[in-house]
Amino acid sequence: DGGITQSPKYLFRKEGQNVTLSCEQNLNHDAMYWYRQDPGQGLRLIYYSQIVNDFQKGDIAEGYSVSREKKESFPLTVTSAQKNPTAFYLCASRDTGTSRSSYNEQFFGPGTRLTVL
Amino acid sequence: AQSVTQLGSHVSVSEGALVLLRCNYSSSVPPYLFWYVQYPNQGLQLLLKYTSAATLVKGINGFEAEFKKSETSFHLTKPSAHMSDAAEYFCAVSDPANAGKSTFGDGTTLTVKP
Repeated sequence: DGGITQSPKYLFRKEGQNVTLSCEQNLNHDAMYWYRQDPGQGLRLIYYSQIVNDFQKGDIAEGYSVSREKKESFPLTVTSAQKNPTAFYLCASRDTGTSRSSYNEQFFGPGTRLTVL
Repeated sequence: AQSVTQLGSHVSVSEGALVLLRCNYSSSVPPYLFWYVQYPNQGLQLLLKYTSAATLVKGINGFEAEFKKSETSFHLTKPSAHMSDAAEYFCAVSDPANAGKSTFGDGTTLTVKP
């Protein structure tokens, strides 16, 4: 089955540590996104990538980094510079390869819940 | 710039009653609008999307939404609520000229009472 996987489901980190969240998709989508979700605040865009080896900052990129070395993978690193990293992180992808791709929705992974101890 | 406002962070209905979740948008270009549903500790799943083909859009699980340009609204409705509809619902607007980035509302939590 095609889809997006995120691992791990739950992650615990000590203050001062960097941690990397995995996101893999086999949908053959070019575009991928990372969101942070906090209670009552909806989804906020951290980083996005429209194509391999290229990515752009979203609205809340400070304290985060990403890479896009493969089409299928878009890992997110939460660095020690992120002051309040405890949140639910969602990865998504979108098909941009068709003529009506503007209407295409984002497909979401199951999320990773990060807790800083 | 785009924005989405979901009126009411919490909505409670009885099983079998009408569900109405409100969404108003702001967009400088023709909008691309979506409704997603999220169950606890899961990702978002698409309910329906507006593609300009029809103003009344039907989605999964009996949900539908009507695009009203004059009111800049895209409210989500379901004639008869089921217990399994209890979840959080997000309205989103997408900007195709900007990498298809979506702006999400803050979400509405739907509670269904037996």
